[in-house]
Amino acid sequence: QVQLQESGPGLVKPSQTLSLTCTVSGGSINSGNYCWSWIRQPAGKGLEWIGRIYFSGSTNYNPSLKSRVTISVDTSKNQFSLKLSSVTAADTAVYFCAREDIQLRPYFDYWGQGILVTVSS
Amino acid sequence: DIQMTQSPSTLSASVGDRVTITCRASQSINTYLNWYQQKPGKAPNLLIYAASSLQSGVSSRFSGSGSGTDFTLTISSLQAEDFAIYYCQQSYSPPPFTFGPGTKVDIK
Repeated sequence: QVQLQESGPGLVKPSQTLSLTCTVSGGSINSGNYCWSWIRQPAGKGLEWIGRIYFSGSTNYNPSLKSRVTISVDTSKNQFSLKLSSVTAADTAVYFCAREDIQLRPYFDYWGQGILVTVSS
Repeated sequence: DIQMTQSPSTLSASVGDRVTITCRASQSINTYLNWYQQKPGKAPNLLIYAASSLQSGVSSRFSGSGSGTDFTLTISSLQAEDFAIYYCQQSYSPPPFTFGPGTKVDIK
Protein backbone atom coordinates (compact mmCIF):
# COMPACT_ATOMS: atom_id res chain seq x y z
CA GLN A 1 0.00 0.00 0.00
CA VAL A 2 1.46 3.33 -1.06
CA GLN A 3 1.72 5.92 1.68
CA LEU A 4 2.82 9.55 1.58
CA GLN A 5 3.86 11.59 4.60
CA GLU A 6 4.54 15.31 4.72
CA SER A 7 7.09 16.76 7.12
CA GLY A 8 8.50 20.17 7.89
CA PRO A 9 8.03 23.24 10.08
CA GLY A 10 4.50 24.14 11.04
CA LEU A 11 5.35 27.80 11.53
CA VAL A 12 7.18 30.05 9.09
CA LYS A 13 7.87 33.77 9.43
CA PRO A 14 6.68 36.21 6.77
CA SER A 15 9.16 36.77 3.91
CA GLN A 16 10.95 33.50 4.70
CA THR A 17 10.94 30.24 2.74
CA LEU A 18 8.52 27.42 3.45
CA SER A 19 10.18 24.01 3.07
CA LEU A 20 8.34 20.70 3.14
CA THR A 21 9.28 17.13 2.30
CA CYS A 22 7.07 14.25 1.26
CA THR A 23 8.31 10.73 1.97
CA VAL A 24 6.84 7.97 -0.18
CA SER A 25 6.65 4.41 1.13
CA GLY A 26 5.20 1.23 -0.33
CA GLY A 27 6.18 2.19 -3.86
CA SER A 28 9.02 3.69 -5.83
CA ILE A 29 9.13 7.36 -6.76
CA ASN A 30 11.17 6.22 -9.77
CA SER A 31 8.16 4.83 -11.64
CA GLY A 32 7.45 6.38 -15.01
CA ASN A 33 3.71 5.93 -14.44
CA TYR A 34 3.42 8.69 -11.86
CA CYS A 35 4.09 12.33 -11.11
CA TRP A 36 4.35 13.74 -7.60
CA SER A 37 2.39 16.84 -6.69
CA TRP A 38 1.92 19.43 -3.98
CA ILE A 39 -1.58 20.76 -3.33
CA ARG A 40 -2.67 23.21 -0.64
CA GLN A 41 -5.90 24.17 1.10
CA PRO A 42 -6.41 27.29 3.23
CA ALA A 43 -8.69 26.75 6.20
CA GLY A 44 -12.31 26.46 5.09
CA LYS A 45 -11.43 26.93 1.43
CA GLY A 46 -10.85 24.87 -1.69
CA LEU A 47 -7.89 23.03 -3.14
CA GLU A 48 -5.08 24.69 -5.09
CA TRP A 49 -2.60 22.68 -7.15
CA ILE A 50 0.92 24.04 -6.60
CA GLY A 51 3.03 21.94 -8.93
CA ARG A 52 4.42 18.51 -9.74
CA ILE A 53 7.64 16.68 -10.47
CA TYR A 54 8.48 13.61 -12.47
CA PHE A 55 11.18 11.20 -11.24
CA SER A 56 13.49 12.59 -13.92
CA GLY A 57 13.26 16.02 -12.30
CA SER A 58 10.96 17.55 -14.91
CA THR A 59 8.53 19.99 -13.27
CA ASN A 60 5.32 21.88 -13.90
CA TYR A 61 4.17 24.74 -11.70
CA ASN A 62 0.99 26.72 -11.22
CA PRO A 63 1.62 30.06 -12.98
CA SER A 64 0.10 31.88 -10.01
CA LEU A 65 2.96 30.62 -7.80
CA LYS A 66 5.68 29.84 -10.33
CA SER A 67 7.98 32.71 -9.40
CA ARG A 68 8.18 31.49 -5.78
CA VAL A 69 8.01 27.68 -6.08
CA THR A 70 10.66 25.03 -6.45
CA ILE A 71 9.87 21.31 -6.35
CA SER A 72 12.72 18.82 -6.27
CA VAL A 73 13.08 15.05 -6.00
CA ASP A 74 15.54 12.78 -4.20
CA THR A 75 15.07 9.32 -5.68
CA SER A 76 17.67 7.79 -3.34
CA LYS A 77 15.48 8.70 -0.38
CA ASN A 78 12.15 8.21 -2.18
CA GLN A 79 11.25 11.80 -1.31
CA PHE A 80 10.22 14.98 -3.05
CA SER A 81 10.24 18.47 -1.64
CA LEU A 82 8.57 21.86 -1.89
CA LYS A 83 10.12 25.26 -1.36
CA LEU A 84 7.93 28.36 -1.41
CA SER A 85 9.78 31.63 -1.01
CA SER A 86 8.73 35.05 0.26
CA VAL A 87 5.73 33.71 2.13
CA THR A 88 2.91 35.85 3.46
CA ALA A 89 -0.13 35.14 5.59
CA ALA A 90 -1.95 34.18 2.39
CA ASP A 91 0.28 31.10 2.18
CA THR A 92 -1.10 29.75 5.46
CA ALA A 93 -2.75 26.45 4.55
CA VAL A 94 -2.74 22.71 4.90
CA TYR A 95 -0.23 21.38 2.40
CA PHE A 96 -0.79 17.95 0.87
CA CYS A 97 1.53 15.84 -1.21
CA ALA A 98 -0.11 13.47 -3.66
CA ARG A 99 0.67 10.86 -6.26
CA GLU A 100 -0.68 11.52 -9.73
CA ASP A 101 -1.31 8.49 -11.93
CA ILE A 102 -0.49 9.65 -15.47
CA GLN A 103 -1.01 6.41 -17.38
CA LEU A 104 -4.28 7.44 -19.05
CA ARG A 105 -6.37 10.28 -17.71
CA PRO A 106 -4.35 11.80 -14.82
CA TYR A 107 -5.75 11.66 -11.31
CA PHE A 108 -4.51 11.91 -7.72
CA ASP A 109 -4.91 8.46 -6.20
CA TYR A 110 -2.82 8.67 -3.04
CA TRP A 111 -2.50 11.62 -0.71
CA GLY A 112 -0.56 12.42 2.42
CA GLN A 113 -2.50 13.33 5.53
CA GLY A 114 -1.57 16.99 5.13
CA ILE A 115 0.50 19.36 7.22
CA LEU A 116 -0.68 22.71 8.51
CA VAL A 117 1.75 25.52 7.82
CA THR A 118 1.08 28.86 9.46
CA VAL A 119 2.84 32.02 8.31
CA SER A 120 3.17 34.34 11.25
CA SER A 121 5.79 36.38 13.06
CA ASP B 1 -6.35 28.40 -16.94
CA ILE B 2 -9.43 26.21 -17.08
CA GLN B 3 -12.00 27.32 -14.52
CA MET B 4 -14.25 24.81 -12.80
CA THR B 5 -17.64 25.57 -11.28
CA GLN B 6 -19.89 23.33 -9.20
CA SER B 7 -23.53 23.45 -8.27
CA PRO B 8 -25.03 23.54 -5.82
CA SER B 9 -22.52 24.88 -3.31
CA THR B 10 -24.46 23.22 -0.49
CA LEU B 11 -26.92 20.38 -0.68
CA SER B 12 -29.12 19.23 2.18
CA ALA B 13 -30.30 15.66 1.88
CA SER B 14 -31.49 12.68 3.88
CA VAL B 15 -30.16 9.16 4.15
CA GLY B 16 -31.48 7.17 1.23
CA ASP B 17 -31.83 10.17 -1.10
CA ARG B 18 -30.47 10.18 -4.63
CA VAL B 19 -28.03 13.07 -4.91
CA THR B 20 -26.61 14.73 -8.02
CA ILE B 21 -23.78 17.27 -8.12
CA THR B 22 -22.89 19.17 -11.28
CA CYS B 23 -19.47 20.36 -12.42
CA ARG B 24 -18.80 22.59 -15.41
CA ALA B 25 -15.51 23.43 -17.11
CA SER B 26 -14.79 26.75 -18.82
CA GLN B 27 -13.65 24.88 -21.95
CA SER B 28 -13.91 21.36 -23.23
CA ILE B 29 -11.84 18.89 -21.21
CA ASN B 30 -12.99 15.69 -22.94
CA THR B 31 -13.26 13.23 -20.02
CA TYR B 32 -10.28 14.55 -18.06
CA LEU B 33 -12.43 14.97 -14.96
CA ASN B 34 -12.06 13.47 -11.50
CA TRP B 35 -14.22 13.54 -8.37
CA TYR B 36 -12.97 13.54 -4.77
CA GLN B 37 -14.66 13.30 -1.39
CA GLN B 38 -13.19 15.16 1.56
CA LYS B 39 -14.17 14.77 5.19
CA PRO B 40 -13.16 17.24 7.94
CA GLY B 41 -9.48 17.08 8.81
CA LYS B 42 -8.74 14.49 6.12
CA ALA B 43 -7.15 14.46 2.72
CA PRO B 44 -9.39 14.22 -0.34
CA ASN B 45 -10.24 10.69 -1.44
CA LEU B 46 -10.54 9.78 -5.13
CA LEU B 47 -14.00 8.50 -6.06
CA ILE B 48 -14.25 8.74 -9.84
CA TYR B 49 -11.57 9.25 -12.48
CA ALA B 50 -11.81 9.89 -16.22
CA ALA B 51 -15.36 11.18 -15.68
CA SER B 52 -17.00 7.79 -15.16
CA SER B 53 -14.51 5.19 -13.90
CA LEU B 54 -15.02 4.06 -10.32
CA GLN B 55 -11.84 4.01 -8.25
CA SER B 56 -11.00 0.64 -6.74
CA GLY B 57 -12.55 0.18 -3.30
CA VAL B 58 -15.17 2.91 -3.75
CA SER B 59 -18.83 2.01 -3.28
CA SER B 60 -20.84 1.42 -6.45
CA ARG B 61 -23.47 3.88 -5.22
CA PHE B 62 -21.12 6.56 -6.59
CA SER B 63 -21.21 7.14 -10.32
CA GLY B 64 -20.01 9.79 -12.71
CA SER B 65 -20.96 10.90 -16.18
CA GLY B 66 -20.33 13.59 -18.75
CA SER B 67 -17.82 14.80 -21.28
CA GLY B 68 -16.74 18.07 -22.80
CA THR B 69 -17.75 20.76 -20.34
CA ASP B 70 -20.57 19.27 -18.26
CA PHE B 71 -20.24 16.50 -15.71
CA THR B 72 -22.25 14.97 -12.89
CA LEU B 73 -21.54 12.94 -9.78
CA THR B 74 -24.45 10.86 -8.54
CA ILE B 75 -24.86 9.11 -5.22
CA SER B 76 -27.65 6.61 -5.76
CA SER B 77 -28.67 6.21 -2.11
CA LEU B 78 -27.03 8.57 0.35
CA GLN B 79 -25.50 6.93 3.40
CA ALA B 80 -24.49 8.55 6.69
CA GLU B 81 -20.80 8.28 5.81
CA ASP B 82 -21.36 10.26 2.58
CA PHE B 83 -21.88 13.59 4.30
CA ALA B 84 -18.79 15.44 3.17
CA ILE B 85 -17.49 17.96 0.64
CA TYR B 86 -17.16 16.85 -2.97
CA TYR B 87 -14.70 18.39 -5.43
CA CYS B 88 -14.33 17.98 -9.14
CA GLN B 89 -10.89 18.41 -10.71
CA GLN B 90 -9.79 18.74 -14.31
CA SER B 91 -6.59 17.10 -15.48
CA TYR B 92 -6.62 18.29 -19.09
CA SER B 93 -3.18 18.91 -20.48
CA PRO B 94 -1.17 21.03 -19.88
CA PRO B 95 -1.23 21.99 -16.21
CA PRO B 96 -2.22 23.84 -14.05
CA PHE B 97 -4.78 21.38 -12.80
CA THR B 98 -7.74 23.07 -11.19
CA PHE B 99 -10.42 22.05 -8.73
CA GLY B 100 -13.99 23.12 -8.44
CA PRO B 101 -15.00 25.13 -5.36
CA GLY B 102 -16.66 22.13 -3.75
CA THR B 103 -20.17 20.99 -2.89
CA LYS B 104 -20.99 20.38 0.75
CA VAL B 105 -23.50 17.60 1.32
CA ASP B 106 -25.07 17.92 4.74
CA ILE B 107 -27.94 16.43 6.67
CA LYS B 108 -31.41 17.80 6.03
